[in-house]
This record gives sequence, C-alpha cells and structure tokens, in this order.
Amino acid sequence: AQTVTQSQPEMSVQEAETVTLSCTYDTSENNYYLFWYKQPPSRQMILVIRQEAYKQQNATENRFSVNFQKAAKSFSLKISDSQLGDTAMYFCAFTPLGGNEKLTFGTGTRLTIIP
Amino acid sequence: EAQVTQNPRYLITVTGKKLTVTCSQNMNHEYMSWYRQDPGLGLRQIYYSMNVEVTDKGDVPEGYKVSRKEKRNFPLILESPSPNQTSLYFCASSLYPGRFVTGELFFGEGSRLTVL
Repeated sequence: AQTVTQSQPEMSVQEAETVTLSCTYDTSENNYYLFWYKQPPSRQMILVIRQEAYKQQNATENRFSVNFQKAAKSFSLKISDSQLGDTAMYFCAFTPLGGNEKLTFGTGTRLTIIP
Repeated sequence: EAQVTQNPRYLITVTGKKLTVTCSQNMNHEYMSWYRQDPGLGLRQIYYSMNVEVTDKGDVPEGYKVSRKEKRNFPLILESPSPNQTSLYFCASSLYPGRFVTGELFFGEGSRLTVL
C-alpha cells in the first residue's frame, strides 16, 4: 500500500519570502504521478503542480516548483515570492500509473503567509 | 464552464435519517469518485466509478452507498448516518480511468456534513 507523509502540520512565512513544504512517500511502484493540491479557506481543491515519476526534470509552474528525488521518495514544493493568496492547506498526493486513479493524500500542511 | 457540482454544500442532520449528496459533472468524464476529508487524516477515498454501472469500494466505504446510472451523476448515499460520518465530502472526476491522461482530478466544492 502507498503512503504519503507530510511532516509539517503548520508553517508560516513572511510575504515575499520563499518557503518549502516537504513530502515523502512510500511505494513499490515504478511509474506514478505526484501532485500538490492547494485548499484555500473556500475549501476548493486546486491542483498546483504535478510530476510524472519517469521525468527527471523537476516540474515548475510560475512561482511553484518541486524538488523530486525519486530514489529518496521525496517530493517537496517550493513557493517563491510568497503572496497572501498562497495562504492555504497544501496536500501532497500520489497515484500509480494505470491504477484506479485513486489519489493517496498526505495529512496536509497549513501554510500562513504573514503580511 | 467545466465543473463538478455537489449539493448540498452544507447539511446538519440527525443520526439515522437517510440522506443523499448529489454530484454531477458536465465534462463527459468516465471516472468519478468520492472522498472524505477529516482533520489530521487528509482525504480518503470512499467509492469510485470507472463508468456507468461500474462502482467499487475505496479505502473507507463502510456506511456509504453509491450508484452510477448516468455518466454525469454519482450520488453518495448515507442510509443511516452516524456522528462518525461528520466530515467534509468531495466528489471528483477525471477523463480516462486507468490512463490518467490529464493527470488531474477535478474536484467539486465540497459538502460539509454534520450528523448529530
């Protein structure tokens, strides 16, 4: 069974600074996807970024980037130039390729951006 | 606008009173799923459906039922709700089951259910 671990329940950072959220996972699969989802106070689940395990290059989306270390089974999210709108709960999630598309989620990190 | 719509968004009910949370998507997605979100536990899958008339259990199916009679709808049924089913529920859909073409699940806005 796959597990996803987010060891930082809460984090806070000053506006405009850079913050890194950590995520580790455990799986015996070789091909899979990893995701970071953002859940603002509105409760909507918003996809921030995804990474295909077969791609060595780290994914980036504007101010969001990941550090994917397949051998270490680590998938951290870096938010650069943080903004007040980044305040949210962030979930790391995993799904094996060709599975039933079930996402296995971590327990989340509550990120607060301080003005 | 492409979306997944859940109703009701908020509901307070009492133990044992049957309720249904509806879910509808307008993207012609084959795959639909229900998750519940609880503090400290993240989101956990309740049931999923790969296509019409095809449903299967997720990680926490006890106390829930689902049906998939039409492609666009995937209601979640609580036949006899109990307080431990107080949670935030999400419906989600994606295009192709097992192929994960878009690599993305589209989520509804969530339904906050309280069982007294």
